[in-house]
Amino acid sequence: EAQVTQNPRYLITVTGKKLTVTCSQNMNHEYMSWYRQDPGLGLRQIYYSMNVEVTDKGDVPEGYKVSRKEKRNFPLILESPSPNQTSLYFCASSFGQGSTDTQYFGPGTRLTVL
Amino acid sequence: GDSVTQMEGPVTLSEEAFLTINCTYTATGYPSLFWYVQYPGEGLQLLLKATKADDKGSNKGFEATYRKETTSFHLEKGSVQVSDSAVYFCALSDRIQGAQKLVFGQGTRLTINP
Repeated sequence: EAQVTQNPRYLITVTGKKLTVTCSQNMNHEYMSWYRQDPGLGLRQIYYSMNVEVTDKGDVPEGYKVSRKEKRNFPLILESPSPNQTSLYFCASSFGQGSTDTQYFGPGTRLTVL
Repeated sequence: GDSVTQMEGPVTLSEEAFLTINCTYTATGYPSLFWYVQYPGEGLQLLLKATKADDKGSNKGFEATYRKETTSFHLEKGSVQVSDSAVYFCALSDRIQGAQKLVFGQGTRLTINP
């Protein structure tokens, strides 16, 4: 089954404790990205990757890191989480980078930083 | 920059009612337009899209027409069902500096009562 998977689905942590949210897709997609969803703000892009070893900042990159060592994986790293990073996070992928390409979303990771 | 404005929610309707969720956009280029739907506890999934002016996207009884003259992409359905209860996101996609940029509206929560 074609899908985007994220782990963990739920995470409660404390300020300053490094964490990684994994994202994997099995559709051989080139383009992957991370979004955060906050009430009243819709989804905002954190980082994106156009291919292996090619990543760039989205609209809200502060406090986050990413890597793309393999085509299928695109982990999101929070080196020192803070309470303002409490949010619902989505990974997404698409076949290409065109404006007509459909994004496929993972199920989401709900993060709480105390 | 590019932006999307959606009708504020929440919206509550009775089953078989007519649905309209308004969406307007501003963009510097020639974007594609999308409606994504998020069912409870799930990630976003594509509902429909339109890639150029006057195109009509349709799926599952939902329709939206790309109106360049009014910069709108309103979502409509003639007779809603309880299973349509979800959060609906309008989005535009444009290529900016060689990369796909997806911009979301804030989302509209729809509840259908039996």
